[in-house]
Amino acid sequence: EVQLVESGGVVVQPGGSLRLSCGASGFTFDDYTMHWVRQAPGKGLEWVSLISWDGGSTYYADSVKGRFTISRDNSKNSLYLQMNSLRTEDTALYYCAKDMVRGVISTASLDYWGQGTLVTVSS
Amino acid sequence: QSALTQPASVSGSPGQSITISCTGTSSDVGGYNYVSWYQQHPGIAPKLMIYDVSNRPSGVSNRFSGSKSGNTASLTISGLQAEDEADYYCSSYTSSSTQYVVFGGGTKLTVL
Repeated sequence: EVQLVESGGVVVQPGGSLRLSCGASGFTFDDYTMHWVRQAPGKGLEWVSLISWDGGSTYYADSVKGRFTISRDNSKNSLYLQMNSLRTEDTALYYCAKDMVRGVISTASLDYWGQGTLVTVSS
Repeated sequence: QSALTQPASVSGSPGQSITISCTGTSSDVGGYNYVSWYQQHPGIAPKLMIYDVSNRPSGVSNRFSGSKSGNTASLTISGLQAEDEADYYCSSYTSSSTQYVVFGGGTKLTVL
């Protein structure tokens, strides 16, 4: 059974930093691209970032580019999101999600999602 | 402002069919067959319902179907059931800027 478990969400002040983690199990982690997607309270889904199976390719939403860094450690079956220069508009539930396909970076289909970790940016 | 445009809400009675639209551009929906649809119930993570425009993952009811015409993709739910009441989001690969995936703003489906 595929499981994705996010952690690291806390309350942080504007301008602060935070690192989210996502532990994966139940599939061959280093075969798949992984994504972060966020959802502000009462709002819709916003794609944040992806990293290819080998970490060689990364992409970011314009809203987080230059502030967030995605990474992975395939030896630990773990995905990370380093979040710097946090803003109040970054307040959201952050989901880790698995891409559906192998062999290409992504076809934008996310077939398994974690339950999310809540990041609150507030003074 | 979301990159893909969805109606804020749709509604239908049990047994009826409804369609949710998702409009983008030639840089996303219109240019590639990489449109997905997700169902999200309150307090629960999204669930993939349709991928690559019209394919259903294993375990998803055949009451859910997807299609695309030009820059607009559509999700149709036939034989509406009470448990279909949820938020629905479309997404697509995008070749614009340095992003890779874009979502629609979401549609609230109410089963009357």
